[in-house]
Amino acid sequence: GNSVTQMEGPVTLSEEAFLTINCTYTATGYPSLFWYVQYPGEGLQLLLKATKADDKGSNKGFEATYRKETTSFHLEKGSVQVSDSAVYFCALRGNQAGTALIFGKGTTLSVSS
Amino acid sequence: GAVVSQHPSRVICKSGTSVKIECRSLDFQATTMFWYRQFPKQSLMLMATSNEGSKATYEQGVEKDKFLINHASLTLSTLTVTSAHPEDSSFYICSALRADPSSTDTQYFGPGTRLTVL
Repeated sequence: GNSVTQMEGPVTLSEEAFLTINCTYTATGYPSLFWYVQYPGEGLQLLLKATKADDKGSNKGFEATYRKETTSFHLEKGSVQVSDSAVYFCALRGNQAGTALIFGKGTTLSVSS
Repeated sequence: GAVVSQHPSRVICKSGTSVKIECRSLDFQATTMFWYRQFPKQSLMLMATSNEGSKATYEQGVEKDKFLINHASLTLSTLTVTSAHPEDSSFYICSALRADPSSTDTQYFGPGTRLTVL
């Protein structure tokens, strides 16, 4: 079945450091890929998404490229801020419309000033 | 953006009692809602898919008689944990799928409900 594997956290960085959170997936066909973010005390929010191979999703300085050859969707940001501290979830959705997301375990990011 | 609310945000109950959790889409209609369960430092695990006006579809290993789901309208789905036990203590999260074509099939998540069964 479909699954998502993302790097274990926590990830601790200083402000303005470069961020990478790795995410790989297993799926049949051509899934859509997502990154969600959960700030403390809040619900999950969609950060970015990509629906086909080689697509790059981007938002708020974060980027991720859908790499079918490596079945990866790594999240990157060139310069993190304290306000980026949150839990990040990689997720996929299979081909069929209306199906639920399958999530990775989440990676906690802590950024200090 | 689209808003999904959950109520209550936190509930503590005694073993053997039933607890109802509500999930509402506040500014859009949702024909489909999903219920997830999240254990500490774990991923969100899909419990069931709730479709308005029909029976919910449960994932393998989820007891449908224990976790009753009712999606009575396009803006409300409820999850009732019946005869709750301490092992049911968890963080329950719902999400709603926008029904309009322009939404590009995006799920919007509620803030979650922390259930503690004593």
